[in-house]
Amino acid sequence: NAGVTQTPKFQVLKTGQSMTLQCAQDMNHEYMSWYRQDPGMGLRLIHYSVGAGITDQGEVPNGYNVSRSTTEDFPLRLLSAAPSQTSVYFCASSYSRGMNYGYTFGSGTRLTVV
Amino acid sequence: QQQVKQSPQSLIVQKGGISIINCAYENTAFDYFPWYQQFPGKGPALLIAIRPDVSEKKEGRFTISFNKSAKQFSLHIMDSQPGDSATYFCAAKGKTGGGNKLTFGTGTQLKVEL
Repeated sequence: NAGVTQTPKFQVLKTGQSMTLQCAQDMNHEYMSWYRQDPGMGLRLIHYSVGAGITDQGEVPNGYNVSRSTTEDFPLRLLSAAPSQTSVYFCASSYSRGMNYGYTFGSGTRLTVV
Repeated sequence: QQQVKQSPQSLIVQKGGISIINCAYENTAFDYFPWYQQFPGKGPALLIAIRPDVSEKKEGRFTISFNKSAKQFSLHIMDSQPGDSATYFCAAKGKTGGGNKLTFGTGTQLKVEL
């Protein structure tokens, strides 16, 4: 039982490059989300999805794109990397209904944009 | 905008002491309040959670106190241990819309000294 798997763990990009951060979960969770973590700012929501084919914007969506073609996968795309996108990125998943709302987080991707 | 305000930003407690972290929220439409624990290099992990119809919830050395009228909730760690040294995040979930979207506080770095 792998939980939430994020790849890569570390990445260095040059300004203007694009890349995709991968996220996969094997718990059949309907809800998936992407957060970025910056010092003193906590976890800020980038995009989220309540099920396959359904995505929506969070608090800081600019410069990022997502899609959800399957229940298991929720990739995050950086369209044209900027130094302001240097951060640690976390993917999380959970059930959407019932009483169990606890998130399972991946181990994160540390991204540096130079 | 920050809808969940967390304090203090950092906290140093002696081994065996009580650690207290406070959060306040503005949106009365929140209906689930979890706390997450994060160790360096790891993703956050669910620690304990409470619903607004309960004033207190205890799990081992960890207790959440909830004051609905004041729109405040706090985490108490009794008999704090060096292994509790981590970053703690409070969060709140909206009642409607957005699936299971959580709004996080800015985090508290706890250090428990021998």
